[in-house]
Amino acid sequence: GENVEQHPSTLSVQEGDSAVIKCTYSDSASNYFPWYKQELGKRPQLIIDIRSNVGEKKDQRIAVTLNKTAKHFSLHITETQPEDSAVYFCAATIQGAQKLVFGQGTRLTINP
Amino acid sequence: DAGITQSPRHKVTETGTPVTLRCHQTENHRYMYWYRQDPGHGLRLIHYSYGVKDTDKGEVSDGYSVSRSKTEDFLLTLESATSSQTSVYFCAISEPTGRGLEAFFGQGTRLTVV
Repeated sequence: GENVEQHPSTLSVQEGDSAVIKCTYSDSASNYFPWYKQELGKRPQLIIDIRSNVGEKKDQRIAVTLNKTAKHFSLHITETQPEDSAVYFCAATIQGAQKLVFGQGTRLTINP
Repeated sequence: DAGITQSPRHKVTETGTPVTLRCHQTENHRYMYWYRQDPGHGLRLIHYSYGVKDTDKGEVSDGYSVSRSKTEDFLLTLESATSSQTSVYFCAISEPTGRGLEAFFGQGTRLTVV
């Protein structure tokens, strides 16, 4: 089955700098890659996703890139702000499949 | 927020006792999931359901069972709770679309086994 590895497990950046979180997946058939954000004490929520027919997708300060050949995808956050502090999870699945497989999570801390 | 409710929100139980967690949805989504969240392990799938009475195991199913007798309810039972099952449990629902498989999570249940 699918296996998703996520790095780093913790990341600390200065406010205003960029943050990058990387994930690799094992199943070459996977074609849908969402990212979830979980604020302290809250539930995970979808923030951005990408399908395998697209190499990059942006939404304001966040972007996701996908390299199908290398089977990895990354979350990029630019101009980080204190409210970006959270745990971020990547996931992978095959479109039409029944379940999402999540990475281990990255705790992002934005330092003022 | 999607209509998904977990109960109880917090529970402390003793080792060896059975525990049942409930997930209730009002979205009529086909798929329902139980995940546990532990530091360093992310969200690990315990069991999931793809329809009434249709369930399957996830990656950490040992010691857990599930039931789904109605579309809106998905129950997770710890048959005999152990300290290793102390965790935060999240229920999630999803409905596959042409875009993908967005999951909506419940508020979580913090379970402590003493």
